[in-house]
Amino acid sequence: AQSVAQPEDQVNVAEGNPLTVKCTYSVSGNPYLFWYVQYPNRGLQFLLKYITGDNLVKGSYGFEAEFNKSQTSFHLKKPSALVSDSALYFCAVRDIDFGNEKLTFGTGTRLTIIP
Amino acid sequence: SQTIHQWPATLVQPVGSPLSLECTVEGTSNPNLYWYRQAAGRGLQLLFYSVGIGQISSEVPQNLSASRPQDRQFILSSKKLLLSDSGFYLCAWSRQGAWGANVLTFGAGSRLTVL
Repeated sequence: AQSVAQPEDQVNVAEGNPLTVKCTYSVSGNPYLFWYVQYPNRGLQFLLKYITGDNLVKGSYGFEAEFNKSQTSFHLKKPSALVSDSALYFCAVRDIDFGNEKLTFGTGTRLTIIP
Repeated sequence: SQTIHQWPATLVQPVGSPLSLECTVEGTSNPNLYWYRQAAGRGLQLLFYSVGIGQISSEVPQNLSASRPQDRQFILSSKKLLLSDSGFYLCAWSRQGAWGANVLTFGAGSRLTVL
């Protein structure tokens, strides 16, 4: 089965500084990778995805992610953090089960932007 | 445009009571439907997914069940709730086909507290 790991439960960044939220993956075949964000007591919102092509993927709210095949990583980045970026972030990988598609999520990283 | 609705938003139930959470999708047909559970504000666990009416795949054996009586309706049920069933339940949908391009769109969630 495909899986992703988010090694950091919590990341704190000062407002205005660059931020990175880490994700590594373990897949057989080509990885299809996703990032989602969750604000308190809300559902998850899609940020970006990597299917193929350019290793740097741009997404919503100024976020981007870099696919690195040699390091099996898909880290989420933003050049300048905003307080409003504080939320729970999930990395996910597509899995196929008897021909049906589903997403397997990491355990989440809580990002706190300090004013 | 497509929308997804979940209800109730909040539910407090005694141990041993039944459960019914409902999810409906509008503006699309023949969607893939999913139920996830998020415990302790953290990781997401896929409970059930469905690729069509009456077709349910269960990921984790437990005292919960799911049904899809109509194309765009997905129901999560239990005959007798356990304390461990407490959590935040998220319904999601995606388009069928278009392998790898399928983004999950989530509902706002239903918070269940079992006392």
